[in-house]
Amino acid sequence: KNEVEQSPQNLTAQEGEFITINCSYSVGISALHWLQQHPGGGIVSLFMLSSGKKKHGRLIATINIQEKHSSLHITASHPRDSAVYICAVAFFNAGGTSYGKLTFGQGTILTVHP
Amino acid sequence: DVKVTQSSRYLVKRTGEKVFLECVQDMDHENMFWYRQDPGLGLRLIYFSYDVKMKEKGDIPEGYSVSREKKERFSLILESASTNQTSMYLCASSLLDSYEQYFGPGTRLTVT
Repeated sequence: KNEVEQSPQNLTAQEGEFITINCSYSVGISALHWLQQHPGGGIVSLFMLSSGKKKHGRLIATINIQEKHSSLHITASHPRDSAVYICAVAFFNAGGTSYGKLTFGQGTILTVHP
Repeated sequence: DVKVTQSSRYLVKRTGEKVFLECVQDMDHENMFWYRQDPGLGLRLIYFSYDVKMKEKGDIPEGYSVSREKKERFSLILESASTNQTSMYLCASSLLDSYEQYFGPGTRLTVT
């Protein structure tokens, strides 16, 4: 079964701390997304990656294809980083059209206190 | 910018009512998706569509149906709403073979 597991489910930090959220998946993938959802519902894409590492400001995403694992790091966390972070995976679909389907992790609720 | 809009942000319905949730995208995307989001379970795919009048079941289609009569519009229908369908419903769209989905703001549906 194609599964995506995120950890931790809840994370509380003090402003300035370095934060790591982990994502593991079960089988080969075509792409992995990290998404952010603020209170109120709207989901935005932070990163899409299939190998290596990407950085945007204080956010860094890495992926290890052999270990089927990805991490999202936030350096110098700030209260405005408080949100739900979601890992979403496009499982490899040999010989067929995927239609862009994604499988989602349960999400990590991050709260950063001042 | 891609824009995905949903007809309501909040909706309260009674058990047994027929409920329509509408989603509209303005970027000529082929794929459209309906998800529900519940605490601890993440986003789960209800139905998706890759073309007008085409639909495919997702992981949890029971109790739901969909309609796609125009490319930009994808409707989710709860034929007879039940309390276990109280949830956040999110619509998304993408190009045919793209994994980059664009999400609407969500509709929080409460069935009493």
